[in-house]
Amino acid sequence: DAGVIQSPRHEVTEMGQEVTLRCKPISGHNSLFWYRQTMMRGLELLIYFNNNVPIDDSGMPEDRFSAKMPNASFSTLKIQPSEPRDSAVYFCASSFGLVAEQFFGPGTRLTVL
Amino acid sequence: ELKVEQNPLFLSMQEGKNYTIYCNYSTTSDRLYWYRQDPGKSLESLFVLLSNGAVKQEGRLMASLDTKARLSTLHITAAVHDLSATYFCAVDPTSGTYKYIFGTGTRLKVLA
Repeated sequence: DAGVIQSPRHEVTEMGQEVTLRCKPISGHNSLFWYRQTMMRGLELLIYFNNNVPIDDSGMPEDRFSAKMPNASFSTLKIQPSEPRDSAVYFCASSFGLVAEQFFGPGTRLTVL
Repeated sequence: ELKVEQNPLFLSMQEGKNYTIYCNYSTTSDRLYWYRQDPGKSLESLFVLLSNGAVKQEGRLMASLDTKARLSTLHITAAVHDLSATYFCAVDPTSGTYKYIFGTGTRLKVLA
């Protein structure tokens, strides 16, 4: 079975540019989570969805960040405009139900110059 | 504020030795997860602990959960080099927020 799929795996962009990260959850999973990992702050939950509906976006750092889940098999995390402090590894995870084991994708390593 | 603390943060140990990683959390929870992360890689699920007294074992790793003490342990038996990685615990509070709170991670290095 395919796990959580994320693209791109690496992204290098310049400050001010728009960045879009993509995630395909495991088929059948109905909860999706976006995390950010940095050395300084560790793993942070940004936003999560249940049945395609955003449940809690309190972890989104600021208005430059937005996330959507138009259907059960696809989600995006967008940063516009990007800043160097957004450089991090962004993970997507999915689970069957909110109270369940989460399975993580390979991550997208974002570098903003 | 919910806190999840792991100790030690760094652990360097010889092959063949035993050691325990501790995960303390500050709120009520009866669900705790352990993950492994290799450098530059994603998080791999190791154990799911869903009740007080739960104990799970896989190979040289054994995890346990004491919800009354708000403590989980990850015990390593006769460590081997392949266990070198960072280990995270994650707590799922029973407050209904459905938000994993991750510990700081324990970076384990097993020396040959």
